[in-house]
Amino acid sequence: GQQLNQSPQSMFIQEGEDVSMNCTSSSIFNTWLWYKQDPGEGPVLLIALYKAGELTSNGRLTAQFGITRKDSFLNISASIPSDVGIYFCAGQPSGQGAQKLVFGQGTRLTINP
Amino acid sequence: NAGVTQTPKFRVLKTGQSMTLLCAQDMNHEYMYWYRQDPGMGLRLIHYSVGEGTTAKGEVPDGYNVSRLKKQNFLLGLESAAPSQTSVYFCASSWSNYGYTFGSGTRLTVV
Repeated sequence: GQQLNQSPQSMFIQEGEDVSMNCTSSSIFNTWLWYKQDPGEGPVLLIALYKAGELTSNGRLTAQFGITRKDSFLNISASIPSDVGIYFCAGQPSGQGAQKLVFGQGTRLTINP
Repeated sequence: NAGVTQTPKFRVLKTGQSMTLLCAQDMNHEYMYWYRQDPGMGLRLIHYSVGEGTTAKGEVPDGYNVSRLKKQNFLLGLESAAPSQTSVYFCASSWSNYGYTFGSGTRLTVV
């Protein structure tokens, strides 16, 4: 099936640093979503993107829908301890319905205080 | 406002045993999904439903069955559990492509 390549797989940073992660695909996507998963919990939606080139912020988080519709990135500014977790990108391939959401492998973020 | 509720939260099965995982949502969502999460694999779709009485196969359906007799409930069954089915199972629901709401997961170990 279709796959999303999410990188990096893990990050170890100092509190206060900025974070950047991205997802790429060989296919075109209509929608890009970014989720965060805390330990022992299900993923929670952070940001949703619906148009190529769209740049959306949610507090210290900013995500962009790539112009080619084959990639997306997520930035976190001035990281804090509660940002620790696994971040997933997800995309809806072109021509598919909502039931065809594809997930990346996740980026595990660890923050040293 | 419960959202998506999964039961049980933890379960240990012996190889060959059967069990049913229950997912309930109170948001009147049409779409419901079952995913499994394994280390380094992300979330993989097992089965999904686009409405009451409908089900369809996802990416990794083998060894699982589902039923959606009521709009608010989506059941995932394992008829004969295998160690390869040891995983964390997540249910999700949505009404469109505006993002899914996930449950908190069921951690299943098959020994």
